[in-house]
Amino acid sequence: DSGVTQTPKHLITATGQRVTLRCSPRSGDLSVYWYQQSLDQGLQFLIQYYNGEERAKGNILERFSAQQFPDLHSELNLSSLELGDSALYFCASSVDGVRTDTQYFGPGTRLTVL
Amino acid sequence: AQSVSQHNHHVILSEAASLELGCNYSYGGTVNLFWYVQYPGQHLQLLLKYFSGDPLVKGIKGFEAEFIKSKFSFNLRKPSVQWSDTAEYFCAVTTGTTSGTYKYIFGTGTRLKVLA
Repeated sequence: DSGVTQTPKHLITATGQRVTLRCSPRSGDLSVYWYQQSLDQGLQFLIQYYNGEERAKGNILERFSAQQFPDLHSELNLSSLELGDSALYFCASSVDGVRTDTQYFGPGTRLTVL
Repeated sequence: AQSVSQHNHHVILSEAASLELGCNYSYGGTVNLFWYVQYPGQHLQLLLKYFSGDPLVKGIKGFEAEFIKSKFSFNLRKPSVQWSDTAEYFCAVTTGTTSGTYKYIFGTGTRLKVLA
């Protein structure tokens, strides 16, 4: 157990809908990262937050947004869902959010868009 | 564009065989290199990482990796695999940007199956 929790574990929804994925970092970690893992694209970095502020942005679509709250948990919002958004979404956390940090990954949320 | 390549997508070995998984990255600046492992049904976890110094890095469970700057490579090795090493292995790189932020780039992963 990495100490990072993600809810829900599984999510099934329809195209055009909006969903919210939640992540709680390890105790003491200030930085949260979101990743998308699909069969054809591998693990793609989406976005990073540090202590409530956006720190780095990867291949995140405009239909997706995220935030980190004062209690450091984070939410990833996916809207206008398309079939291609079906994937495993991972959250990770690290202590300082710097490039040398080890990231601790959660178990992931499997999103299926029908 | 910056990228990480793992050329072996699936590897099958017998127990006690030696392992080498390839990882190449494309980025000319300073990089930090990582190998993560995902055992069946578990979360991704760090095997080892390289920042600077000795290019031969030792990690957990008998794994090691060698950074060869001239080849842009960071191959993972283990002299003798065990059935419990069956997992998916990901190479990752962090690269700096001019804005001071960085990106975490993962390879597509290598699925290792070790036959008992």
